[in-house]
Amino acid sequence: DAGVIQSPRHEVTEMGQEVTLRCKLISGHNSLFWYRQTMMRGLELLIYFNNNVPIDDSGMPEDRFSAKMPNASFSTLKIQPSEPRDSAVYFCASSSTDRPQHFGDGTRLSIL
Amino acid sequence: DAKTTQPPSMDCAEGRAANLPCNHSTISGNEYVYWYRQIHSQGPQYIIHGLKNNETNEMASLIITEDRKSSTLILPHATLRDTAVYYCIVRLTGYQKVTFGTGTKLQVIP
Repeated sequence: DAGVIQSPRHEVTEMGQEVTLRCKLISGHNSLFWYRQTMMRGLELLIYFNNNVPIDDSGMPEDRFSAKMPNASFSTLKIQPSEPRDSAVYFCASSSTDRPQHFGDGTRLSIL
Repeated sequence: DAKTTQPPSMDCAEGRAANLPCNHSTISGNEYVYWYRQIHSQGPQYIIHGLKNNETNEMASLIITEDRKSSTLILPHATLRDTAVYYCIVRLTGYQKVTFGTGTKLQVIP
């Protein structure tokens, strides 16, 4: 079975540009999590969805960040406008209710 | 979520058992203990979880003390590929959100 699929794997863009990160959930999973990882702050939960509904977005840094689930198997995380401090590795994870989370390989984002 | 405490780093000789401790002294009765690991440049990988009984799977064993205030993850025969950061997490039943701490950086030495 395919795992969680994230794209792109690497993104380098200039400050002020819009960035869109994509995530495909494992088939049958109903929960979706977006994390950000930096050396300074470690692995932080940004937002999670259950059955396509955002449940907790308290980790979203500011209004420049937005996440959506247009359908049960796909999610996007957008940053607009991007800033150098947004540079990090962004992970997506999915799970079924009360089951372990399965992570993708991440998107390495660099904002110049 | 209850907090967990782990040593920041450990070394283990290749082929020997790696025993990674975790303290979760404020754990409640309906919180599970989960272990994940993160190999450099990859996403975290689920290893094992348990409530109060010891658990074993193809990757590792989990030993939870009777009072549930601490646990130990055991990798029976560590290999170089087990070098990673290991995270111990407690998670409330029915609650999806988890918090990753700083984990233990395990270095397996040839």
